[in-house]
Amino acid sequence: EPEVTQTPSHQVTQMGQEVILRCVPISNHLYFYWYRQILGQKVEFLVSFYNNEISEKSEIFDDQFSVERPDGSNFTLKIRSTKLEDSAMYFCASSGQGSSYNEQFFGPGTRLTVL
Amino acid sequence: GDSVTQMEGPVTLSEEAFLTINCTYTATGYPSLFWYVQYPGEGLQLLLKATKADDKGSNKGFEATYRKETTSFHLEKGSVQVSDSAVYFCALSGGGATNKLIFGTGTLLAVQP
Repeated sequence: EPEVTQTPSHQVTQMGQEVILRCVPISNHLYFYWYRQILGQKVEFLVSFYNNEISEKSEIFDDQFSVERPDGSNFTLKIRSTKLEDSAMYFCASSGQGSSYNEQFFGPGTRLTVL
Repeated sequence: GDSVTQMEGPVTLSEEAFLTINCTYTATGYPSLFWYVQYPGEGLQLLLKATKADDKGSNKGFEATYRKETTSFHLEKGSVQVSDSAVYFCALSGGGATNKLIFGTGTLLAVQP
């Protein structure tokens, strides 16, 4: 069964450093998303991406964040200068077209720890 | 703005007990409603969905009915198993150009043998 994969599973970084979280969505999906979950809190939407551009972003997704689809398979989230409060689990998701547009498939997540 | 409220956990049940996890929502328009499940160490998996009022979503013995009059989407299962132990998230999506999911806080279910 096709699945969304994410790497790394755990990333530890120093405050102020740049991190790139990687995702491989399901191959025939066209819509891509990032969410995050701070420990003990809700899963929160960050950004959606379609046709090589951002279609929607939340107020969390400020200038420190960017997304990219550098090739036909990867979808990345970059945080330019990490802060302590960026520590969270980051989930990538993807969805298809038509009746499967609103069925988002999630990856296992990357746990980001900022020290 | 749109929001989802679900019952706080943890919910602890014995095997074969009846499960209800309450979920209510606030939304403009006509959202789609979802239940996602997260097993330990894994990502979020779509459990079931309903896209319009009175629809019933079902999967793996779980059911939920989209109730517009009470703005609810409660999750039920007649007989839980130890393997159902997980965190359950209720979510909504406005669809259309806005397909982002808005999640509840999650409810931890622990089923004891």
